[in-house]
Amino acid sequence: GAGVSQTPSNKVTEKGKYVELRCDPISGHTALYWYRQSLGQGPEFLIYFQGTGAADDSGLPNDRFFAVRPEGSVSTLKIQRTERGDSAVYLCASSLILAGTDTQYFGPGTRLTVL
Amino acid sequence: QKEVEQDPGPLSVPEGAIVSLNCTYSNSAFQYFMWYRQYSRKGPELLMYTYSSGNKEDGRFTAQVDKSSKYISLFIRDSQPSDSATYLCAMSADNFNKFYFGSGTKLNVKP
Repeated sequence: GAGVSQTPSNKVTEKGKYVELRCDPISGHTALYWYRQSLGQGPEFLIYFQGTGAADDSGLPNDRFFAVRPEGSVSTLKIQRTERGDSAVYLCASSLILAGTDTQYFGPGTRLTVL
Repeated sequence: QKEVEQDPGPLSVPEGAIVSLNCTYSNSAFQYFMWYRQYSRKGPELLMYTYSSGNKEDGRFTAQVDKSSKYISLFIRDSQPSDSATYLCAMSADNFNKFYFGSGTKLNVKP
């Protein structure tokens, strides 16, 4: 596709439920990033994939959060036992890492609301 | 203390004005500096990308980086109502694995 796509665009769930958020990166982009953006704040880094492996997951807030990218393209962010504090916009970005440069292109985000 | 500080605004200017947006940071390892524009309920869109210190110009936009002061700026000339959005600064160290974002400045350009 032309850009990064994310599904669903909106997700409402109840406290304690499990959710999956999907990201389709730009075709050919090797790197994929997940960020979380709370209201009135800038995006906050969660995890970065280079190919299929998580190169940096230092931003995941706790073990309820997990992300996979099994074939090096589509990625899924999984949140277990959701809490009200997980409510935010979850942004995905992808990039084509060339020597010395790396520009991240963002998707529109998934707005997660935990009731 | 946050890694990146940015005045949240809002900043309201008349059409045609010159806009100055700024960020400060604390990590001297940052080498890559970006400005993103974010419209309501949309993902951030890259505007400017700068490596290390210096100026970069692209149309009505100029980005400046002063690493000695740990201070970056974005100038918008001849501002238009369509420039009304939230502007986010972002920066990264050499490994470029993750960006650190400011909290964003909301800009409103009045016709």
